[in-house]
Amino acid sequence: GESVGLHLPTLSVQEGDNSIINCAYSNSASDYFIWYKQESGKGPQFIIDIRSNMDKRQGQRVTVLLNKTVKHLSLQIAATQPGDSAVYFCAENSQETSGSRLTFGEGTQLTVNP
Amino acid sequence: SAVISQKPSRDICQRGTSLTIQCQVDSQVTMMFWYRQQPGQSLTLIATANQGSEATYESGFVIDKFPISRPNLTFSTLTVSNMSPEDSSIYLCSVEVARADTQYFGPGTRLTVL
Repeated sequence: GESVGLHLPTLSVQEGDNSIINCAYSNSASDYFIWYKQESGKGPQFIIDIRSNMDKRQGQRVTVLLNKTVKHLSLQIAATQPGDSAVYFCAENSQETSGSRLTFGEGTQLTVNP
Repeated sequence: SAVISQKPSRDICQRGTSLTIQCQVDSQVTMMFWYRQQPGQSLTLIATANQGSEATYESGFVIDKFPISRPNLTFSTLTVSNMSPEDSSIYLCSVEVARADTQYFGPGTRLTVL
């Protein structure tokens, strides 16, 4: 599974710029991937998901890219706003006999400077 | 999606005591999960709460320390037993709706053990 680090990677961007947050996953059997946003003092909030039969999916201001060859996932945020400042987690889901099971990445702290 | 509430939202407890955290969903869901998020870290799955049967625990978590109940399809409790300062964390409930794979999270319970 994913390793959990003690220090969150950080990304600092200027308001209006595009942000790219990266995630490496470990289980080649994972077939479903989710990005979550966690603001301070709150639970993780679903942003966007993608299944393993796709390599790109777009939402409102967000795009997720999946590269199964190198087991890499990215989240692109267009025209980043101060309200986007949060910790972003990727999660992989592999179906097992007992049901789905999410494994979370270490998270990235995004700071948007006005 | 689903609307998820947790009680209490936060608590400060003495070493050696136990705390029961409640998770309530506004609709029937297939799966309920409990996670721990230690300060500055990612989410770690504690267990899957099974309706009508014993919870399924992840490696490193045991029923004696984290007893879980799920009496119906909308409610679950997690008890943190015989607490020590190392149990200070955010405890999060999540649900999966109708085997859709996506998990939605509650707001979390912030526990401090003195």
